Amino acid sequence: AQSVTQPDIHITVSEGASLELRCNYSYGATPYLFWYVQSPGQGLQLLLKYFSGDTLVQGIKGFEAEFKRSQSSFNLRKPSVHWSDAAEYFCAVGAPGTASKLTFGTGTRLQVTL
Amino acid sequence: NAGVTQTPKFQVLKTGQSMTLQCAQDMNHNSMYWYRQDPGMGLRLIYYSASEGTTDKGEVPNGYNVSRLNKREFSLRLESAAPSQTSVYFCASSFRTLVAYGYTFGSGTRLTVV
Repeated sequence: AQSVTQPDIHITVSEGASLELRCNYSYGATPYLFWYVQSPGQGLQLLLKYFSGDTLVQGIKGFEAEFKRSQSSFNLRKPSVHWSDAAEYFCAVGAPGTASKLTFGTGTRLQVTL
Repeated sequence: NAGVTQTPKFQVLKTGQSMTLQCAQDMNHNSMYWYRQDPGMGLRLIYYSASEGTTDKGEVPNGYNVSRLNKREFSLRLESAAPSQTSVYFCASSFRTLVAYGYTFGSGTRLTVV
């Protein structure tokens, strides 16, 4: 079974600074990988996803993520954070196949200081 | 607006009471899911329905039942609520169970059992 770890529970960055949120997965082959964002009181919104091809994936709101097979990682990055990026971010993993479901990490809460 | 609609948004129950959480999607998706979100634990799958007429248990099904009423609607029932079921519940849907499509989430139901 697949699993995903987000080692950082809470991260604080200054507005305009760069951001990297870590995600490590466990799966025997190349999984499907996702990043979702949850604003307070809201549901989860898909930022980006990876399942094959170019290992650097572009998403919405200026986010990108890089799949590194050797490190079993799928870290989320943004070059310059905006105050509106404050939210909780979830990494998710799914095994290729018609019967698979997404497994979510425990989330990283991002705080942005002005 | 197209998407996943959950009702109610907030609910307070007494221990032992029952209730049904409603979920409806208008995207013609085949698969639907119920997750619960608890602090520090991310999202955990309760039940899912791969297609109309089928339902299966997820990671944490005890204390819950589901009904896939039709292609659009997937309800979650708590027969005898317990304080441990205090949580935020999310419904999600996807075009197919193949996780490459990703999930669309509702805005959640915040349930408190006292």
